Amino acid sequence: DSGVTQTPKHLITATGQRVTLRCSPRSGDLSVYWYQQSLDQGLQFLIQYYNGEERAKGNILERFSAQQFPDLHSELNLSSLELGDSALYFCASQPHRGEKNTIYFGEGSWLTVV
Amino acid sequence: DAKTTQPPSMDCAEGRAANLPCNHSTISGNEYVYWYRQIHSQGPQYIIHGLKNNETNEMASLIITEDRKSSTLILPHATLRDTAVYYCIVRASGTYKYIFGTGTRLKVLA
Repeated sequence: DSGVTQTPKHLITATGQRVTLRCSPRSGDLSVYWYQQSLDQGLQFLIQYYNGEERAKGNILERFSAQQFPDLHSELNLSSLELGDSALYFCASQPHRGEKNTIYFGEGSWLTVV
Repeated sequence: DAKTTQPPSMDCAEGRAANLPCNHSTISGNEYVYWYRQIHSQGPQYIIHGLKNNETNEMASLIITEDRKSSTLILPHATLRDTAVYYCIVRASGTYKYIFGTGTRLKVLA
């Protein structure tokens, strides 16, 4: 158990809909990362937040947005969903100090768009 | 960010050492080499990282060539539970993007 919690674990929704994925980082971790992993694909970096501020951006679509709240949990919002958005979405968190070179992943949220 | 190249798949006999290579010929001086693995569709798991020197921990050893253009992850006594996709990543110091490639699918055979 990495200590990173993601909800929901599984989600099925229809095209055109909007969903929100939630991530609670490890206690004390200030950084949160979001990744997307489509079937048989590698992990695509989407976005990173540090203490509420966006720090780095990857291949995140304009239909997707994220934020990190004062309690450090993060949400990834996916809107106008398409079939191709079906994927496993991972959140990871990173310590502020100590083992700050490593990131710890949650178990992911499976999104199926039908 | 430096790109990495890994063989798509490898087999290893149970109990033997698994040596997973990674090429990162465009790595620059401040870029670390990280290894993660993903078992089935679980969240990736950190294994080890290094900058210049070889590193060892309870999971594995990391050997980085003197010119830093390649590295090898060594699992000293592979078990069936080590069957996974292994990712080699380089990350520049002070940046925040961990960019995963396609990895090596290691299959440990009984």
